[in-house]
Amino acid sequence: DGGITQSPKYLFRKEGQNVTLSCEQNLNHDAMYWYRQDPGQGLRLIYYSQIVNDFQKGDIAEGYSVSREKKESFPLTVTSAQKNPTAFYLCASSTRDRAENEQYFGPGTRLTVT
Amino acid sequence: AQSVTQLDSQVPVFEEAPVELRCNYSSSVSVYLFWYVQYPNQGLQLLLKYLSGSTLVKGINGFEAEFNKSQTSFHLRKPSVHISDTAEYFCAVSKFNTGGFKTIFGAGTRLFVKA
Repeated sequence: DGGITQSPKYLFRKEGQNVTLSCEQNLNHDAMYWYRQDPGQGLRLIYYSQIVNDFQKGDIAEGYSVSREKKESFPLTVTSAQKNPTAFYLCASSTRDRAENEQYFGPGTRLTVT
Repeated sequence: AQSVTQLDSQVPVFEEAPVELRCNYSSSVSVYLFWYVQYPNQGLQLLLKYLSGSTLVKGINGFEAEFNKSQTSFHLRKPSVHISDTAEYFCAVSKFNTGGFKTIFGAGTRLFVKA
């Protein structure tokens, strides 16, 4: 079955530590995205990538970093510079980075930083 | 600036009753419109989308939505809801702008279906 996997489902970290969230897709999609979801605020775009070895900042990139070394993988690192990292993080992909293409979402990772 | 407004944060409804979840957007150019559903602790999945053509769009699970250009709305409807429809629903708008396009999600509407 094709799809997007995110691991782990729940992640706990101490303040000041960097943490990397995994996102893998086997849909052969070119474009991949990271969103942050907070209650009552919908989804906010952190980073997106249209092709391997290229990525762009979204609306709330500060305190986050990404890499896209393989088509299938788009890991997100939440750094200690992110002021309020506790949130639900969603990874998505689409065939191409085009406005008419829907996005396919992974199950999400809930990060709690204390 | 483009925005997406989902007019109700929560909608409680009894099983087998009809429901409408409202979505308005602001844009001076053509847009593509989407509705996604999110079940608890899961990712989003596409319900339906409007790209062009007929303004009434049918999606999965018996949902449909109507694009109204003059009112800049894309309300989601279902004639008879089930307990299993309890979830959060997100309206999203994509439009072209300088340098590419942008997709903006609304804040979501939590549908709660009661027995």
